[in-house]
Amino acid sequence: GQQLNQSPQSMFIQEGEDVSMNCTSSSIFNTWLWYKQEPGEGPVLLIALYKAGELTSNGRLTAQFGITRKDSFLNISASIPSDVGIYFCAGRGGSQGNLIFGKGTKLSVKP
Amino acid sequence: DAGVIQSPRHEVTEMGQEVTLRCKPISGHNSLFWYRQTMMRGLELLIYFNNNVPIDDSGMPEDRFSAKMPNASFSTLKIQPSEPRDSAVYFCASSRRTSSYNEQFFGPGTRLTVL
Repeated sequence: GQQLNQSPQSMFIQEGEDVSMNCTSSSIFNTWLWYKQEPGEGPVLLIALYKAGELTSNGRLTAQFGITRKDSFLNISASIPSDVGIYFCAGRGGSQGNLIFGKGTKLSVKP
Repeated sequence: DAGVIQSPRHEVTEMGQEVTLRCKPISGHNSLFWYRQTMMRGLELLIYFNNNVPIDDSGMPEDRFSAKMPNASFSTLKIQPSEPRDSAVYFCASSRRTSSYNEQFFGPGTRLTVL
């Protein structure tokens, strides 16, 4: 079945630094989504991408849908303490209605 | 606007007991998803519905798990009998299913502990 590899598993950074994380899939996806999950809460949608090559920003967050349609990355610029959480990529390929989720990247920001 | 609503938020039960988790999707959404999240396995899709009809239940771990969606505004996930390995956070998510729209919105989750 389809699998997503998300990296890195965890990051420890200083406030103000930029962050980059990515996901790769074993097959072509037609949708990439990025979610953030904070402790005790459900994942919250950050950015949705629907076209290969698409680059979309949401404040300090920028995500891109890879040209090969098998990867996506998320960048966070000038990180702040409230960026702490687990970031998940999710993708959908073919005609399935369900999303495949990565294992998550745990972000820690040191003030 | 109300998001996805789940109840209870926390459930502690003893092995062998029946557990029922509830979900109210966002009004107007016609797809509903049940996920389970654990440290070891991450987010796993258990089952999803389109227009109240179960489409894919291949993620349901065992016959002890069952899910229903009697109408567009309510779904249940039942575990009977429950076992300690069922302990996890269970999320419900909903979306408007179209050919190009795939954004799922998650509820706050139910943290289940089976003793």
